[in-house]
Amino acid sequence: KTQVEQSPQSLVVRQGENCVLQCNYSVTPDNHLRWFKQDTGKGLVSLTVLVDQKDKTSNGRYSATLDKDAKHSTLHITATLLDDTATYICVVVDRGSALGRLHFGAGTQLIVIP
Amino acid sequence: DMKVTQMPRYLIKRMGENVLLECGQDMSHETMYWYRQDPGLGLQLIYISYDVDSNSEGDIPKGYRVSRKKREHFSLILDSAKTNQTSVYFCASSLGTGGDSDYTFGSGTRLLVI
Repeated sequence: KTQVEQSPQSLVVRQGENCVLQCNYSVTPDNHLRWFKQDTGKGLVSLTVLVDQKDKTSNGRYSATLDKDAKHSTLHITATLLDDTATYICVVVDRGSALGRLHFGAGTQLIVIP
Repeated sequence: DMKVTQMPRYLIKRMGENVLLECGQDMSHETMYWYRQDPGLGLQLIYISYDVDSNSEGDIPKGYRVSRKKREHFSLILDSAKTNQTSVYFCASSLGTGGDSDYTFGSGTRLLVI
């Protein structure tokens, strides 16, 4: 059963527009939540990590929120650039697992057009 | 330059052949991982290694084995490859296994089994 659901599956925006990516999860007990960016044919690069029960982070044009009560996270990208075209992956760390198990969403494919 | 290097980047093998995927990291990270990524699915954990000769099965270990004889090097072996092992394989490393550990991913090995 998929424990991390991301929406939308894909998204097309024009350069300069803002966008919001969603992540809902059912991992219990949850620990940290991370957002990664995966360029086509490349590995995952960490964008941000959210830790607290209700957390917010900001990293340049990327900002993220986490609500552990709702088991929901969002990733906001402001003033998108062509280089933002990538797959964005939400990852929940299972703190109940001895392996520090990471639960990966399938990703949202973002395409930024001129 | 801190990185995880995977070799080869692309590989085509016939069903029944043996496959060796190599992964190296230059950060002296204790923990290393092998994942596979299939379309529409999140990354799935194959094996985790906590240090030299200290390996544990992940979620989908069947058909795979690993070897870690040096901290900086972690190999994934497919004995008698099957067509359903066609996938993109990612190696990753982290300093620990807690949720606040930084994870570094390689660029992936694209394996086609025909």
